[in-house]
Amino acid sequence: DVKVTQSSRYLVKRTGEKVFLECVQDMDHENMFWYRQDPGLGLRLIYFSYDVKMKEKGDIPEGYSVSREKKERFSLILESASTNQTSMYLCASSSGILWEQYFGPGTRLTVT
Amino acid sequence: RKEVEQDPGPFNVPEGATVAFNCTYSNSASQSFFWYRQDCRKEPKLLMSVYSSGNEDGRFTAQLNRASQYISLLIRDSKLSDSATYLCVSGSNDYKLSFGAGTTVTVRA
Repeated sequence: DVKVTQSSRYLVKRTGEKVFLECVQDMDHENMFWYRQDPGLGLRLIYFSYDVKMKEKGDIPEGYSVSREKKERFSLILESASTNQTSMYLCASSSGILWEQYFGPGTRLTVT
Repeated sequence: RKEVEQDPGPFNVPEGATVAFNCTYSNSASQSFFWYRQDCRKEPKLLMSVYSSGNEDGRFTAQLNRASQYISLLIRDSKLSDSATYLCVSGSNDYKLSFGAGTTVTVRA
């Protein structure tokens, strides 16, 4: 059974804190993605990675960075959290860049 | 303008009814299309891919109209378990998937 796991289901951070969100997949997928999901806006792509140490900006990369040191792990970093980064963060992986994506359970981040 | 637009609904239908809804996509270069299902407080999961010729998976039928740039999903003989938000997705040649905001379907007993 395919599996994408995320480090936390719920997270509360203060404005200005550095935040790390981790994602691990066990399917040996080349491609990994970070999205945020907000009501009425749908899923918006923050960053994606098609190989270890490779990353590409998505539609809304500002305020975020990513790290992919190992194939199975893709981290999202909020350098200095702000209240407008309060959202649901979803990680996904896929074997092909336009193929089916498998999602993790999501991390609901609240920045106060 | 959003790349993928969907009617948010909700579509409230009785069990056994047929419900259908569309989404439109703006990028004429889009190459791949999907419907994902998302249950409340859960992650999206692939429902079906959408092929040019249209395709069916049990009670679900997906159609693609490239000329008018829309995708449709039809659910026959609705079950209570079909209650969910359905996300329309298109993939273009910049190697990104674009997700719609979702259409909510509620099936009542």
